[in-house]
Amino acid sequence: GPKVLQIPSHQIIDMGQMVTLNCDPVSNHLYFYWYKQILGQQMEFLVNFYNGKVMEKSKLFKDQFSVERPDGSYFTLKIQPTALEDSAVYFCASSQTGKDTQYFGPGTRLLVL
Amino acid sequence: GDSVTQTEGPVTLSEGTSLTVNCSYETKQYPTLFWYVQYPGEGPQLLFKVPKANEKGSNRGFEATYNKEATSFHLQKASVQESDSAVYYCALSHTNAYKVIFGKGTHLHVLP
Repeated sequence: GPKVLQIPSHQIIDMGQMVTLNCDPVSNHLYFYWYKQILGQQMEFLVNFYNGKVMEKSKLFKDQFSVERPDGSYFTLKIQPTALEDSAVYFCASSQTGKDTQYFGPGTRLLVL
Repeated sequence: GDSVTQTEGPVTLSEGTSLTVNCSYETKQYPTLFWYVQYPGEGPQLLFKVPKANEKGSNRGFEATYNKEATSFHLQKASVQESDSAVYYCALSHTNAYKVIFGKGTHLHVLP
């Protein structure tokens, strides 16, 4: 089936540094999402992005977070600066329309020390 | 707010036995219900979805019925196989929102 890729698979950084998580969505998809999963907890919605804009975001999407997809390249989640509580697995997803099935990538495991 | 609660794992079964993973949900709206499955090293993938109350979804021998009165969407399989070992997520979404709301996931181990 359709594949979403995420780079890197693992990232370890020091608190206060900036990190960028990269997502390569399904090629003809127009809607992009980030979810966050802390170990042992459920996956939680962070943000939805369409046509260059954030359409919906949750309270977990702090001011330190930003998303973009410049010129059809990777869909990115940037955290600047990082905090200890940002340690989690971040899943990217994409869908053709806002109502279609979301396809998920394998996740990036972020550890903030 | 919206929430999904499902059987806490891990669940360990022998091959050939039956599976039930309970799922209940809370919402003030009229959701679409999903079951996702996640294999090691991969992201969650859709097992099936049911947009309408009192209808059943199924795929690969798994099935669940959208019970609006009981606000439940239990996952069942008559005879599990070792290859069914994975994490199963119950989830919901609304027609006027983009996000999917997930349960915590149930880790299933099937022994040969």
